[in-house]
Amino acid sequence: EVQLQESGPGLVKPSQSLSLTCSVTGYSITSNYWGWIRKFPGNKMEWMGYISYSGSTSYNPSLKSRISITRDTSKNQFFLQLNSVTTEDTATYYCARAGLPGSWRYWGQGVMVTVSS
Amino acid sequence: VQMTQSPSYLAASPGESVSISCKASKSISNNLAWYQEKPGKANKLLIHSGSTLQSGTPSRFSGSGSGTDFTLTIRSLESEDFAVYYCQQYNEYPLTFGSGTKLEIK
Repeated sequence: EVQLQESGPGLVKPSQSLSLTCSVTGYSITSNYWGWIRKFPGNKMEWMGYISYSGSTSYNPSLKSRISITRDTSKNQFFLQLNSVTTEDTATYYCARAGLPGSWRYWGQGVMVTVSS
Repeated sequence: VQMTQSPSYLAASPGESVSISCKASKSISNNLAWYQEKPGKANKLLIHSGSTLQSGTPSRFSGSGSGTDFTLTIRSLESEDFAVYYCQQYNEYPLTFGSGTKLEIK
């Protein structure tokens, strides 16, 4: 069974970087597509980006140059880094594995991150 | 692509049927997914390709539509169906979601 689990700090200060890990079991991250999605207070969902089976990445232009998604295949983990965070980055962050490209078949349970001083 | 989902809130009784609408700002062919969100559980992909049930999705769920207008219908609501539902287009990047519909027990 494919399982994903997000981990990382629940509180980040403004202007700092947000770093999250997605640990995957039951499936190799060297196959398929792996994404980060966030849900803001008020329930708006935003796709942030993905990393592919080959390590290529695609990001939401709204995040401009603030985002980086990387991976460690030896640990079957992939990572999100979001730089220069503001309070508007306060959200629940989810990692997910694609089904059909662009749709998300398996999700983690999400980790809530608050940006506050 | 902007996704407009309605209603944002829906109250219904077990056994009833409900429909949720999702409209895209431009044609997305049938590249639309529906998800279910429940507290404490991982989000669940219910339907992809507009109308294809994901393995494990009960047959009381159905999806219809193509182009810009899509509908999720749930027949004979069961207690486990009360949740939040989102649509999402994957026709083009950036991928975009609807604003969600909270389905509550009346």
